[in-house]
Amino acid sequence: DADVTQTPRNRITKTGKRIMLECSQTKGHDRMYWYRQDPGLGLRLIYYSFDVKDINKGEISDGYSVSRQAQAKFSLSLESAIPNQTALYFCATSDFAGAPDTQYFGPGTRLTVL
Amino acid sequence: QKEVEQNSGPLSVPEGAIASLNCTYSDRGSQSFFWYRQYSGKSPELIMSIYSNGDKEDGRFTAQLNKASQYVSLLIRDSQPSDSATYLCAVNPGGFQKLVFGTGTRLLVSP
Repeated sequence: DADVTQTPRNRITKTGKRIMLECSQTKGHDRMYWYRQDPGLGLRLIYYSFDVKDINKGEISDGYSVSRQAQAKFSLSLESAIPNQTALYFCATSDFAGAPDTQYFGPGTRLTVL
Repeated sequence: QKEVEQNSGPLSVPEGAIASLNCTYSDRGSQSFFWYRQYSGKSPELIMSIYSNGDKEDGRFTAQLNKASQYVSLLIRDSQPSDSATYLCAVNPGGFQKLVFGTGTRLLVSP
């Protein structure tokens, strides 16, 4: 089984809809991250969490919210989706006790907002 | 100025050749550096990490770091068509274990 899983893997939705992307990990890592990837712009950090009680905004958090339900689960929500949120979304994890800045990525969610 | 810069490519090399991928970064206090490989539509996969000046080798891959010149490179020896992918450079500029990614260099290895 994969260490970092994301659901759904693909999603097509309409403008204005609320969408939740979920990330689960079995690596036992305490740190989790959400990125989006757009062609030509690379990976950009949306939110990150260093433990269940710690949530931090990244460089592009507007229009997004997150929830860290447990050490192993980190969800990203788009409250009212808009077309320019069409992108590939990745969850990543890292381990403070090990190599805290070495991040491991989930398989990604391809989101299309019509 | 972007914090982490890479040539977008594509970099084309024949099978068996050495591929050289370069990355420059702007924050002189950066302490850790990573190379990820990403196949089209897939997630980034960690190849190498490097923390000290000099070379670090792992199989066909060698990472090179020069903090004085603020660049990090990745050499791929005996390139194979399966190495064709986008290579992302990532840098921790220091502080809170966040990574800043370059936009990646696309590598094409022709048989």
